[in-house]
This record gives sequence, C-alpha cells and structure tokens, in this order.
Amino acid sequence: EDQVTQSPEALRLQEGESSSLNCSYTVSGLRGLFWYRQDPGKGPEFLFTLYSAGEEKEKERLKATLTKKESFLHITAPKPEDSATYLCAVQANSGGYQKVTFGIGTKLQVIP
Amino acid sequence: ETGVTQTPRHLVMGMTNKKSLKCEQHLGHNAMYWYKQSAKKPLELMFVYSLEERVENNSVPSRFSPECPNSSHLFLHLHTLQPEDSALYLCASSQDSSGVETDTQYFGPGTRLTVL
Repeated sequence: EDQVTQSPEALRLQEGESSSLNCSYTVSGLRGLFWYRQDPGKGPEFLFTLYSAGEEKEKERLKATLTKKESFLHITAPKPEDSATYLCAVQANSGGYQKVTFGIGTKLQVIP
Repeated sequence: ETGVTQTPRHLVMGMTNKKSLKCEQHLGHNAMYWYKQSAKKPLELMFVYSLEERVENNSVPSRFSPECPNSSHLFLHLHTLQPEDSALYLCASSQDSSGVETDTQYFGPGTRLTVL
C-alpha cells in the first residue's frame, strides 16, 4: 500500500529563519511527487511536481528536492505570508488509473 | 471564471435533507475528482471521472452520489447524511488520468459541509 509521511506535523519559525519540511514515501511505480500549499478553509494550491530522484524545483523562497525515498521542501528566509499547511502527495500507476496518495501535511507558522 | 470553482462555499444541512455540490473546471481538463478532507486526516479520494465516465469509487457510502454530465462539470448529490460526514469537500481536475503520464491535479476552493 502506498504511504506518505510528513514531518514535522507543525513547525513554528521566526521570520527569516530557514528550515525544511520532510515527506517520506513508499510507493510502487512512482510517477510523480507533488507539493501543495493550503490556507485555512481553502483548497490546496499547486506548487511543484517532481518526477525523478535528483530533481529540484524552485519558486520564490521555496525549493523542492526529491530522492528515491523522500522529498524536502526548503523554505529560505520565510515571511509571515508563507504560513500555511504544506501537503505532499505521490502519484503511482495502479492498473491504468493514476492513484494519488496524500500526506497529512505540515502546518507552518512564521512569526514576525 | 478561471481554474476550478465550487458552489456553495458553505452548506449546513440536516440529516434528512437532500442537497448538491457543484464543481466547474475552466482548464480544459479530461478528469475530475471529489475528495473529502477531515481534520487531522489526509485527503480521501471519493470519486474519479475520466472523460465523463466513472473510473474509481473508493467504497463511498451510497448517500453520496456523483454525477458528471460533461468534462467541465461535476456534481455530488447528498442525502440522509450523518454528522460524521461534516468535512471540507474538494473538487479537483487534471489533464489526463489514463495512466500514461504524470498528472497534476488542480483543486477548487472547497465546500465546507456541516451536517446537524
């Protein structure tokens, strides 16, 4: 069974204090790994898709990396507006239908 | 309108009511999804439609009934719900769910459902 584990569950940072969020996964036939940002009461907002180990993608203060067992979302010099829950998800092949498994998320709070 | 829209944004219903959630995507995608999001739990996939045909039903109770009249619209019909069905219901769409390529899903803002 495909599994996604995110850590920590919650993270509190001072503004400007860089850190990383972890996403560990087990899946057969990985097609892609996704990062989403979700604000309270809203739908997840797509950030990145990573396809293969060694790949990296950046967007403003966020950088996502991928290995064969985990992905990191690095946040450099975060600002209060980066406060949100960050979701990780993996997509695998399952009999022709692409199943996506989500983690519970990491709730990030950035304090001014 | 752009992206994926959902109406209503908030819904309160009694256990004997019948209501429907609506989702519309303006991305030209071929696949649409319903997810349930409860506190402290990962997103739970409920239904998947590809080219208007249901391809996945994750053992969802029959009190939830999906309808996909075309590739841009998706409905979730609700009847005789239970209080434990209270959650955020999210609609998503993607370009292709045929299993050939990686398929990024884009989400709507969700409907916050409360069952009294």
